[in-house]
Amino acid sequence: GAVVSQHPSWVICKSGTSVKIECRSLDFQATTMFWYRQFPKQSLMLMATSNEGSKATYEQGVEKDKFLINHASLTLSTLTVTSAHPEDSSFYICSAASEIRGLGETQYFGPGTRLLVL
Amino acid sequence: AQKITQTQPGMFVQEKEAVTLDCTYDTSDQSYGLFWYKQPSSGEMIFLIYQGSYDEQNATEGRYSLNFQKARKSANLVISASQLGDSAMYFCAMRERSGGSNYKLTFGKGTLLTVNP
Repeated sequence: GAVVSQHPSWVICKSGTSVKIECRSLDFQATTMFWYRQFPKQSLMLMATSNEGSKATYEQGVEKDKFLINHASLTLSTLTVTSAHPEDSSFYICSAASEIRGLGETQYFGPGTRLLVL
Repeated sequence: AQKITQTQPGMFVQEKEAVTLDCTYDTSDQSYGLFWYKQPSSGEMIFLIYQGSYDEQNATEGRYSLNFQKARKSANLVISASQLGDSAMYFCAMRERSGGSNYKLTFGKGTLLTVNP
């Protein structure tokens, strides 16, 4: 249980285009999903917390107009990188929160999406 | 201030031996959770083990155990009988309330473990 998928796994795009990344919880419902970004050899940095049916909460320094997050259902959240530029190239990982194992809210992660903006 | 500190950027261990990865944390909350995740080169984050702040016993999951010393604010991960497949980046993380009913995880910088044959 607690499987999270992410699509696509790889994206290469031209500067100025928008890229949409999907995050799905496959076998559980997640009222809260999270989006992280990870640069090479660095730790995960939380970008935003997404609650189903409400606006996402962004971390300080993350541009909400650049990184659009939609959490339309209990199993799907999307991150859209608008007008992507080379500095947006990174590894984007989503997670979905669940209490199914009785450990309190535990985050289960998707496999990540590598974005390369040319 | 850094909330999760992993002081070992890299660690080496011989196959079949045990290894301890260090993690210290800083919080003023009474209720919190501590996690360890494994990140192989493929990038996925794999949940390994969890310790709640009120848990009196150290958590164990197969070959993984968590040495929880609350007074020292440390939550070290012990991997017994290391295997080649254990080579990966390991992250310690703390769950705290982020406002309202939401929680968030704060990650350490990670420790790169290499298991030698």
